[in-house]
Amino acid sequence: EIVLTQSPGTLSLSPGERATLSCRASQSVSSSYLGWYQQKPGQAPWLLIYGASSRATGIPDRFSGSGSGTDFTLTISRLEPEDFAVYYCQYYGSSPPPFGQGTKVEIK
Amino acid sequence: QVQLVQSGAEVKKPGASVKVSCKASGYVFTRHGFSWVRQAPGQGLEWMGWINTYNDNTDYAQKFQGRVTMTADTSTSTAYMELRNLSSDDTAVYYCARLLGRGLIYYPFDYWGQGTLVTVSS
Repeated sequence: EIVLTQSPGTLSLSPGERATLSCRASQSVSSSYLGWYQQKPGQAPWLLIYGASSRATGIPDRFSGSGSGTDFTLTISRLEPEDFAVYYCQYYGSSPPPFGQGTKVEIK
Repeated sequence: QVQLVQSGAEVKKPGASVKVSCKASGYVFTRHGFSWVRQAPGQGLEWMGWINTYNDNTDYAQKFQGRVTMTADTSTSTAYMELRNLSSDDTAVYYCARLLGRGLIYYPFDYWGQGTLVTVSS
């Protein structure tokens, strides 16, 4: 089974700063099936990025995804107050479709 | 617009079963599969399984094999997840999530229900 490891566990940043989140797969995976989700406290997750780099409907362009093979990155170019949340990567090209353990982006 | 509305919170005793529903609206039900994901308090996301609403094919996480059943009622556009022989470790928020496409794998989870808290306590 594929295991996804996200780093760092927590990212402390200020509004307006750039956030770079990492997701590493235990083996090479197809970038076509790598996604990122945002989850705010008390809410369900929300799809941000699919296919490693395609933004889901309505997602602002400050969110971008990149990567291939085993290393993937979610970048938030300038943090807005509403972006402070937990972010999960997921590989949905296999069954089971694993999630990473999450990265919390908190206000510094 | 797409909406997934889940059933309300449940409190169950150890050994009991729970059945959570997820009523879909705003799209053609059989064109998208469903997955169920749970989240224990303060923990991450755990995939439980998925169902193809077109042909009822299912695939379950090995951890839940024999204890979970996922079904879909196309007449009411509702997906169901039943989990049996509950223990305190099953206390979690359970989410239904729509797959972007009809099949099982190869599709991200593009819409999620609001979640159903299941508490298992004696």
